[in-house]
Amino acid sequence: EAQVTQNPRYLITVTGKKLTVTCSQNMNHEYMSWYRQDPGLGLRQIYYSMNVEVTDKGDVPEGYKVSRKEKRNFPLILESPSPNQTSLYFCASSYRGLTTQYFGPGTRLLVL
Amino acid sequence: RKEVEQDPGPFNVPEGATVAFNCTYSNSASQSFFWYRQDCRKEPKLLMSVYSSGNEDGRFTAQLNRASQYISLLIRDSKLSDSATYLCVVNEESGGSYIPTFGRGTSLIVHP
Repeated sequence: EAQVTQNPRYLITVTGKKLTVTCSQNMNHEYMSWYRQDPGLGLRQIYYSMNVEVTDKGDVPEGYKVSRKEKRNFPLILESPSPNQTSLYFCASSYRGLTTQYFGPGTRLLVL
Repeated sequence: RKEVEQDPGPFNVPEGATVAFNCTYSNSASQSFFWYRQDCRKEPKLLMSVYSSGNEDGRFTAQLNRASQYISLLIRDSKLSDSATYLCVVNEESGGSYIPTFGRGTSLIVHP
């Protein structure tokens, strides 16, 4: 089954404690992306990757890091989380960004 | 990043009504267009692609107007289950890949 998986699905943490949210897809897609969604602001892109070892900033990259060492994985790293990073995070993948984006189920993050 | 604008709504309609949403985009070089549906706090899922000639899928019709730079979604005979947020997505070409930009979504509430 074609899918995008994210882990963890829910996370409560404290300010400054480094965390990683994993994202994996099994469709051999080149393009992967991270979004955050906040009430009234819609989906905002954090980072995207057009292929292995190719990453670029989206609209709201501050406070986040990503890596793309393998085609299937695109982890999101928060080196020092802050309360304003409390949000719902989605990972997505597609074939070169041209076609349908497949989204993971989302990760709800609360930073205290 | 170019802009993609949607009326956030909510559009509050009775069952059986016909409702239409528009989405405007600013980049005339945009390449491809989609409508996604998002249920509350769940991942967005593709509803339909939008082709230049327009396309229909059951009660849903999507159209593209390149001259005026907007896409539309028409829902006929609304059902309670159509209640959701509808996101338009516009893809722009960048270095051989395509970067999707999401609108903030239009909320639809269908009531009995």
